[in-house]
Amino acid sequence: GESVGLHLPTLSVQEGDNSIINCAYSNSASDYFIWYKQESGKGPQFIIDIRSNMDKRQGQRVTVLLNKTVKHLSLQIAATQPGDSAVYFCAEIPGGYNKLIFGAGTRLAVHP
Amino acid sequence: KAGVTQTPRYLIKTRGQQVTLSCSPISGHRSVSWYQQTPGQGLQFLFEYFSETQRNKGNFPGRFSGRQFSNSRSEMNVSTLELGDSALYLCASKGLAGGGSTDTQYFGPGTRLTVL
Repeated sequence: GESVGLHLPTLSVQEGDNSIINCAYSNSASDYFIWYKQESGKGPQFIIDIRSNMDKRQGQRVTVLLNKTVKHLSLQIAATQPGDSAVYFCAEIPGGYNKLIFGAGTRLAVHP
Repeated sequence: KAGVTQTPRYLIKTRGQQVTLSCSPISGHRSVSWYQQTPGQGLQFLFEYFSETQRNKGNFPGRFSGRQFSNSRSEMNVSTLELGDSALYLCASKGLAGGGSTDTQYFGPGTRLTVL
């Protein structure tokens, strides 16, 4: 299949464990952040988003944490499943613009 | 709602040729953005169209261009193809759809362009 990224950092976890994927963003003026999941051969799929006036948001099995002081974003996946194996990207939108600035991505490998 | 669709899914061209890629956004979405994805550079923003007007542009040469039609469908064109243009070209439409906000961008499956 197509290669999303040949030299991405990889997080390996056991099925059922919790996963934490981290991201450092670049622009202190960014006011909206999104996590995407990309499986081989597919486009990025929306997971969860958060605005800069929040520091935590929860979805189904996923939680995003935002620390504006250190410009850090994290995605927590509870009870990780084999279907969660993919490359995960954080993306930011600087205020006043409509373009996504993507991080380099992290490959999540879930082992049974 | 149907998702973002892109055609063709795969394309092989030779250096010097030009190519046109097509994107149909989610129904009701008026903003369409294009991104280039390569293993070396990751995901990079090309341009955004809203109501048939280019609203934002990334740092790509003038060989990369686009347009949007009155039905919000968009095309991007790359002229005088170079080997380095080989990439996955992704289209995203912005608006309410799958759980995000009005600012969320939803991506299509992409067009895999190979330049020989």
